[in-house]
Amino acid sequence: DGGITQSPKYLFRKEGQNVTLSCEQNLNHDAMYWYRQDPGQGLRLIYYSQIVNDFQKGDIAEGYSVSREKKESFPLTVTSAQKNPTAFYLCASSMPGDRTERLSGNTIYFGEGSWLTVV
Amino acid sequence: GNSVTQMEGPVTLSEEAFLTINCTYTATGYPSLFWYVQYPGEGLQLLLKATKADDKGSNKGFEATYRKETTSFHLEKGSVQVSDSAVYFCALIKNQGGKLIFGQGTELSVKP
Repeated sequence: DGGITQSPKYLFRKEGQNVTLSCEQNLNHDAMYWYRQDPGQGLRLIYYSQIVNDFQKGDIAEGYSVSREKKESFPLTVTSAQKNPTAFYLCASSMPGDRTERLSGNTIYFGEGSWLTVV
Repeated sequence: GNSVTQMEGPVTLSEEAFLTINCTYTATGYPSLFWYVQYPGEGLQLLLKATKADDKGSNKGFEATYRKETTSFHLEKGSVQVSDSAVYFCALIKNQGGKLIFGQGTELSVKP
């Protein structure tokens, strides 16, 4: 089935350690996104990528890094510089498309999320 | 800049009650509007969408109409069920391939 797969579902990080969250999609989407969700709050954009080998910072990029070497993969690394990393992380993708796609709605699809906890 | 504002939760209703969750937006031009639903411990699922003024999105008994004159996209359901308990997010996209901008989410709790 087509979709977005995030792994691991649960991850524990020690202080000063870098960890990487995986995101893979087989929807042939050009654009991919990482969002962070804190309890009782909305989603905040960390990084996004509209094409392979290119990505842009979102609203809260500090302490995070990404790569986009392949169309289907957009891993997120939470570095030791991120002082408060405990959160729920959501990966998403969309097909920007052409004018026809615009008329049909540029829908963004989400993975199941990954819980990161600092121990 | 572009933004989305939702009514604050939690919203608690009895089964079969009528639901309205208000959503208003600020954006220039004609954004696409979405409602997403998040069940406990899960990712977000697209519930419905509308891409131009006066469009009505609908799915699973939920409806929302794109009102440009009031810059609103309120979510409604005539008769809620316990299984509708979740957090609902209103969102917009301004440009194709652009960023999805979310409201803060509204928690709905439906009691039997």
